[in-house]
Amino acid sequence: SQQGEEDPQALSIQEGENATMNCSYKTSINNLQWYRQNSGRGLVHLILIRSNEREKHSGRLRVTLDTSKKSSSLLITASRAADTASYFCATRAAGNKLTFGGGTRVLVKP
Amino acid sequence: DAGVIQSPRHEVTEMGQEVTLRCKPISGHDYLFWYRQTMMRGLELLIYFNNNVPIDDSGMPEDRFSAKMPNASFSTLKIQPSEPRDSAVYFCASSLASTMNEQFFGPGTRLTVL
Repeated sequence: SQQGEEDPQALSIQEGENATMNCSYKTSINNLQWYRQNSGRGLVHLILIRSNEREKHSGRLRVTLDTSKKSSSLLITASRAADTASYFCATRAAGNKLTFGGGTRVLVKP
Repeated sequence: DAGVIQSPRHEVTEMGQEVTLRCKPISGHDYLFWYRQTMMRGLELLIYFNNNVPIDDSGMPEDRFSAKMPNASFSTLKIQPSEPRDSAVYFCASSLASTMNEQFFGPGTRLTVL
């Protein structure tokens, strides 16, 4: 079964609005990562947050991590049409394996 | 940097045929991962290598699947014989030796088994 589960499965917003998606996981982790996948392409790493961190920013991205609730959120501010993609959370426990969630499909309408 | 290179990008074959997917990781990366992505099962890790040695192949679905990494710059994933349920997008990814580092994905190979 998947370690991370994203919510919602799909999201449709207008350009300029913020997009928020959540990820829940089941076991203890070393870090949690978010990836983006454009249609027909490979995944691209966006941001990594360590288990001892609570919040991290990168450009228009903001990630939070709550290890007590085993959950994370990704916020994309001032969305653009180019942000249309699927977004995946991935958790790393011991070792070098990443376990990916099912993804959130985001559509940003111009 | 060319990134992770995969070939072919698309493969259409008939059931029972042998399929070989190829991957060239980013130079200097010492971890290589093979994933499979389907609508039903999402992104699944099949196998990963460290310094050309298979570390965990617990995700390989059946004995029909095999993977090799003869050197640091090349890996193959072979399916023999192929079945329609093997139809998926297969990704190769590489990373540096750190539990914190990101994985770099190739563009994927879309496999269709008729």
